[in-house]
Amino acid sequence: EDQVTQSPEALRLQEGESSSLNCSYTVSGLRGLFWYRQDPGKGPEFLFTLYSAGEEKEKERLKATLTKKESFLHITAPKPEDSATYLCAVQAYSGAGSYQLTFGKGTKLSVIP
Amino acid sequence: DSGVTQTPKHLITATGQRVTLRCSPRSGDLSVYWYQQSLDQGLQFLIQYYNGEERAKGNILERFSAQQFPDLHSELNLSSLELGDSALYFCASSAPGRDRANNEQFFGPGTRLTVL
Repeated sequence: EDQVTQSPEALRLQEGESSSLNCSYTVSGLRGLFWYRQDPGKGPEFLFTLYSAGEEKEKERLKATLTKKESFLHITAPKPEDSATYLCAVQAYSGAGSYQLTFGKGTKLSVIP
Repeated sequence: DSGVTQTPKHLITATGQRVTLRCSPRSGDLSVYWYQQSLDQGLQFLIQYYNGEERAKGNILERFSAQQFPDLHSELNLSSLELGDSALYFCASSAPGRDRANNEQFFGPGTRLTVL
């Protein structure tokens, strides 16, 4: 069974204090790893897709990296508007031409001014 | 705005009742996915449709069913509702990729279901 574990569950940072969020996974036949941002009461917002170990992607203050067992979401000099829950998901083949996402429970990030 | 729309935004009903949630995917997307999100379980995959046909099932209860219509909108039907069905229900859509595998899913704003 595919498993995704995110840590820490919650993280409080001062504005400008850089840090990293971790997503470790066990999956048979990883096809992609996805990062989403979710604000309270809203739908997840797509951030990145990573396909292979060693790959990195950046968007503003966010940088996602991937190894064979885990992914990191690095946040550089965060601002209060970066406060949200960050979700990690792995995509694997589930049969009959379908590729499903398995989500972690997320890291709730709070950035204090 | 992801381009995925869901109605209604909020739904309050009683135990034993039946409700229908509606989703319109992004223009051009053929796949629709339904997810349930509760505080303790996180985001759980329920079911996927691709161009009108059921493609995959996740942790969907027998009391729940879905369909995708020729215009590609989808409905999720929840029946014999229980208190534990109270949750956020999200619809997502994705475009067909070269190998159908790697295209990202775009989520709608969700329907908050409260069962009293």
